[in-house]
Amino acid sequence: NAGVMQNPRHLVRRRGQEARLRCSPMKGHSHVYWYRQLPEEGLKFMVYLQKENIIDESGMPKERFSAEFPKEGPSILRIQQVVRGDSAAYFCASSLRQQETQYFGPGTRLLVL
Amino acid sequence: RKEVEQDPGPFNVPEGATVAFNCTYSNSASQSFFWYRQDCRKEPKLLMSVYSSGNEDGRFTAQLNRASQYISLLIRDSKLSDSATYLCVVNGGGSYIPTFGRGTSLIVHP
Repeated sequence: NAGVMQNPRHLVRRRGQEARLRCSPMKGHSHVYWYRQLPEEGLKFMVYLQKENIIDESGMPKERFSAEFPKEGPSILRIQQVVRGDSAAYFCASSLRQQETQYFGPGTRLLVL
Repeated sequence: RKEVEQDPGPFNVPEGATVAFNCTYSNSASQSFFWYRQDCRKEPKLLMSVYSSGNEDGRFTAQLNRASQYISLLIRDSKLSDSATYLCVVNGGGSYIPTFGRGTSLIVHP
């Protein structure tokens, strides 16, 4: 049973470009969470999705960031017009049910030049 | 007061030592609790869940004190490989978003 998968593992973008991060949850999991972690800092919640629905996006910046979890395919975190401050590790986690154990993917490390 | 607080450390201990971390939480209605381990530049990995009755897994023991609103993690006979950051996670209490502590850094030296 494959774990949570994320790709790409590393992504380099120039300022102003778009970044697309993908997350495939564990088999059977329909709850997906995205987190951002800056160097030497803790995990910051961004958005919680359940198939086709955004349940909570209170941690996501209002501009440039969006997330989706379509009926088919992975969850996507999209960052438009990236800036240097977006450089961070972005982790996705999935759970079988709400408030149950979350399992994390290996993360995508975004570097904005 | 932060929702979940941990002493960032680092805790610097010799191999074989016993070390304990605490984590306090502010929402008395919180329902589930976990300890995760995060190695440098890696993803957090579940270490153990924390039950009201306590939970032991080999050298690791986790306890919950609802009255004082804290959870603890005890590591016995520390190994070099235990060096990592330990994250406390609190769930429930009116929110379905888990709250992560900032983590406690443990360094085990020879």
